[in-house]
Amino acid sequence: DAMVIQNPRYQVTQFGKPVTLSCSQTLNHNVMYWYQQKSSQAPKLLFHYYDKDFNNEADTPDNFQSRRPNTSFCFLDIRSPGLGDAAMYLCATSGTDEKLFFGSGTQLSVL
Amino acid sequence: AQSVTQPDIHITVSEGASLELRCNYSYGATPYLFWYVQSPGQGLQLLLKYFSGDTLVQGIKGFEAEFKRSQSSFNLRKPSVHWSDAAEYFCAVGRAWSGNTGKLIFGQGTTLQVKP
Repeated sequence: DAMVIQNPRYQVTQFGKPVTLSCSQTLNHNVMYWYQQKSSQAPKLLFHYYDKDFNNEADTPDNFQSRRPNTSFCFLDIRSPGLGDAAMYLCATSGTDEKLFFGSGTQLSVL
Repeated sequence: AQSVTQPDIHITVSEGASLELRCNYSYGATPYLFWYVQSPGQGLQLLLKYFSGDTLVQGIKGFEAEFKRSQSSFNLRKPSVHWSDAAEYFCAVGRAWSGNTGKLIFGQGTTLQVKP
């Protein structure tokens, strides 16, 4: 039944070691988003895809990249994770009805 | 600048009591407003949204919210709180682009604790 699926649920990486988080959707939505939520803070938009068009938020660090090989999948790549990148990463999708569907998130720890 | 303020970081209510969570926004145009709920370690679930029309909107789980343009507010209410309502609540404003409103600016959140 899950419509926006994020894997893994928990991810541990080492300082400076590249890591990839994945998101898939069964809704066939054309827009996918990545939000970062640090502990006890509000989610913050990193970037989004409108179909294959990538849109970066102005204050998203260059350390964060994203790929969307097809409609169903979207990846978040952190090239050199720092301790400050430890957070919950939330993927979301939206279609024509303007309703946003969130995945359960990936909790990233950086050692 | 667009912003969302939730003045109450933490609220405790007794089960069965009424609830009101406050939200104020700053946005230049007609806002698209949302309330989301987040249980610990989980993603966000949409409770309700306001785009236009009737300023009192009904949501899931017995929640409602009222849009008051004059006060720039979108407060969330529930007449009788259940223990399962304990969670983090986020108010958000959507920045419209290309007819889509998924670029959300969230408030800091309000943690709701429910006493038995």
